[in-house]
Amino acid sequence: GDSVTQMEGPVTLSEEAFLTINCTYTATGYPSLFWYVQYPGEGLQLLLKATKADDKGSNKGFEATYRKETTSFHLEKGSVQVSDSAVYFCALSDRDTGRRALTFGSGTRLQVQP
Amino acid sequence: EPEVTQTPSHQVTQMGQEVILRCVPISNHLYFYWYRQILGQKVEFLVSFYNNEISEKSEIFDDQFSVERPDGSNFTLKIRSTKLEDSAMYFCASKWDKEGRPFFGSGTQLSVL
Repeated sequence: GDSVTQMEGPVTLSEEAFLTINCTYTATGYPSLFWYVQYPGEGLQLLLKATKADDKGSNKGFEATYRKETTSFHLEKGSVQVSDSAVYFCALSDRDTGRRALTFGSGTRLQVQP
Repeated sequence: EPEVTQTPSHQVTQMGQEVILRCVPISNHLYFYWYRQILGQKVEFLVSFYNNEISEKSEIFDDQFSVERPDGSNFTLKIRSTKLEDSAMYFCASKWDKEGRPFFGSGTQLSVL
């Protein structure tokens, strides 16, 4: 079945540091890939997405590129802020199986210190 | 931005009791979902609902679980006889069409004692 694996947290960085959160996936078909973010006390919010190989999703300074050859969708940001502290979830939706529900990774907590 | 609303934010119950978790999806959305996250584990899909019936469910969604859209605005998840292992954060989500992105609520933290 489909699965998503992401690096364990917490990830602790100083403000303005470079961020990478690794995400790899296995899928039966050709999935769409997502990053969701959950700020404290809030729901899951879509951060960015990519629907085909080599697509780059970007939002709020975050980027992730759909790499079919390495089955990866790593999240990056060049300079993190304290306000980026949250839990980040990588997820996929596998259209080819007809299933539209999301398969999530376990989440990575990011803590940014001033 | 429109919001999915979940109530309560926290619920504590005794093992064996019935609980109903409530969600108000975004008003013109047609597809509805429940997910859960046991502490420290992955967010897991439970069930999807469309056109007043379940369209897909996971292995987790056994006979103890049921969903309902009783009045055209609420979308509920009922657990008939709770077990300790049902303790988790339960997320509701909705979306307008099959290919669209889901909007998530802030979750209900269920604790079964």
